[in-house]
Amino acid sequence: DSGVTQTPKHLITATGQRVTLRCSPRSGDLSVYWYQQSLDQGLQFLIHYYNGEERAKGNILERFSAQQFPDLHSELNLSSLELGDSALYFCASSVSSGVGTEAFFGQGTRLTVV
Amino acid sequence: GENVEQHPSTLSVQEGDSAVIKCTYSDSASNYFPWYKQELGKGPQLIIDIRSNVGEKKDQRIAVTLNKTAKHFSLHITETQPEDSAVYFCAAFANQAGTALIFGKGTTLSVSS
Repeated sequence: DSGVTQTPKHLITATGQRVTLRCSPRSGDLSVYWYQQSLDQGLQFLIHYYNGEERAKGNILERFSAQQFPDLHSELNLSSLELGDSALYFCASSVSSGVGTEAFFGQGTRLTVV
Repeated sequence: GENVEQHPSTLSVQEGDSAVIKCTYSDSASNYFPWYKQELGKGPQLIIDIRSNVGEKKDQRIAVTLNKTAKHFSLHITETQPEDSAVYFCAAFANQAGTALIFGKGTTLSVSS
């Protein structure tokens, strides 16, 4: 167990809908990262938050947004869902945002858009 | 931005053989290179990492080498065991504003007994 908790584990929804994925980082970790994992694209970096502030943005679609709350948990909001958004979404946390800081991954949320 | 290429995409070895996975990166500012192992139904887990001021690092049957000049790094697993079967990801990180861990596309390692 990495200490990073993601809910829900599985989510099935229809195209055009909106969903919220939740991540609770390890106790004491200030950084939260979101990644999308699909079969042919590996782990794609979406966004990074550190202590409530956005630090880096990757290949995140405009239909997607995220935030980190004062208690350090994070939510990834996906709207106007398309079939191609079906993927595993991982959250990772680390103590800081600097080099050599180990990132711990949660078990992921499997999103299926039908 | 950073781009990480990983090869091969699949690798099959016999138990006891060695396995080597290679990655190249594009951003010369990258200075941290971790390797993650992902088992079925689980999230990636760090197995070894190396910083840019080190050329090689070893941990029991696992070793990683880094060639900064050529911008490539490799994972070496010796005496492979069936439980080594998993997907392995390399990643690169540049300690600059607006960056994060960038991953390769993964290598599926199968170790047959």
